[in-house]
Amino acid sequence: DGGITQSPKYLFRKEGQNVTLSCEQNLNHDAMYWYRQDPGQGLRLIYYSQIVNDFQKGDIAEGYSVSREKKESFPLTVTSAQKNPTAFYLCASSIWEGGYGYTFGSGTRLTVV
Amino acid sequence: GIQVEQSPPDLILQEGANSTLRCNFSDSVNNLQWFHQNPWGQLINLFYIPSGTKQNGRLSATTVATERYSLLYISSSQTTDSGVYFCAAYMEYGNKLVFGAGTILRVKS
Repeated sequence: DGGITQSPKYLFRKEGQNVTLSCEQNLNHDAMYWYRQDPGQGLRLIYYSQIVNDFQKGDIAEGYSVSREKKESFPLTVTSAQKNPTAFYLCASSIWEGGYGYTFGSGTRLTVV
Repeated sequence: GIQVEQSPPDLILQEGANSTLRCNFSDSVNNLQWFHQNPWGQLINLFYIPSGTKQNGRLSATTVATERYSLLYISSSQTTDSGVYFCAAYMEYGNKLVFGAGTILRVKS
């Protein structure tokens, strides 16, 4: 079955550490996205990518980095520069033109301890 | 950029009741989508509805693009309808969805 896989489901990070969240899709979608969700709030766009080896900053990119070396994979690194990283992170993919077929992964809950 | 506002922010229903959720957007959009996030965090697309009306079982949605709003109707609500409902407007510039803050729905048995 096609879909998006995010791992891990839960992640604990010590202050000052970088952590990488995995996102893999087998839908053959061109575009991939990373969103952050805080309690009681909507989804805010961190980074997005429309093709391999290309990505753009979203609304809250500071303290995050991404790569897109393969069409199927779009990992997100939360760096120590991100001051408030505790949140729920969602990865999504879609057909590029028109935003069709938006599909979300099941999310990673990151907690700083 | 485009602003997407949802109302009400919270809604509590008794099982079997009907409800209407509203989404206003500040600019012309290419499409409007509704999503449901279950209590475990999974987001599922409910409707892709740039204009007009669509129905899927007990759910239906209407978008009036000229007046910049969309409505999601839930009839005969069930406890499994609980969660957060998001609308999202698609911006052609940047090719991205802009999400509203969501409506938290709790259906009590």
